Amino acid sequence: GAVVSQHPSWVICKSGTSVKIECRSLDFQATTMFWYRQFPKQSLMLMATSNEGSKATYEQGVEKDKFLINHASLTLSTLTVTSAHPEDSSFYICSARAGLAGPYEQYFGPGTRLTVT
Amino acid sequence: DAKTTQPPSMDCAEGRAANLPCNHSTISGNEYVYWYRQIHSQGPQYIIHGLKNNETNEMASLIITEDRKSSTLILPHATLRDTAVYYCIVRVEPARQLTFGSGTQLTVLP
Repeated sequence: GAVVSQHPSWVICKSGTSVKIECRSLDFQATTMFWYRQFPKQSLMLMATSNEGSKATYEQGVEKDKFLINHASLTLSTLTVTSAHPEDSSFYICSARAGLAGPYEQYFGPGTRLTVT
Repeated sequence: DAKTTQPPSMDCAEGRAANLPCNHSTISGNEYVYWYRQIHSQGPQYIIHGLKNNETNEMASLIITEDRKSSTLILPHATLRDTAVYYCIVRVEPARQLTFGSGTQLTVLP
């Protein structure tokens, strides 16, 4: 099946610094990528949707200036958490979609655990 | 997309069938039922999906009632590695993003 990777798998950063998380589709071209956030013992919450070459669409309540999303190519999307604070500590998961064909069209990465100290 | 209701938790003995129910009473005719699972600290994994017919693959079976208002995911021989949160999602194929509810925590007991 299609594989989505994320890097890093975990990161610890100090409050006020920025962190970049990469999401790659390894064996397919992802026309659309999604970024989710998951707090402990909670479900996944969609943060934003991005299409290659376009600006991301953010869900209500998600600060676009704080969570910068870039989808510059069909295989790479990045999420940058700017000026991170402890409340941004969470599990960030990306998902990629290879267009409109097939039942598996949304594939998930393994997630990145961010801890802000 | 239609809202789904799942029990928060279930236990199952190893080697037995695990039957996970999902109610989606407001489902409309063009909405599919998807099942994903999330093992602790991993990304969600696709299991199966269906529209109105029962479906089976190497992982599980999906039974959808005739009125489509509920469905059951069946893991025929549960193993300890099947312990996970199972999400039932209803959405229009294929354009919409997946919206996750609270899911069912399935614990397979030795």
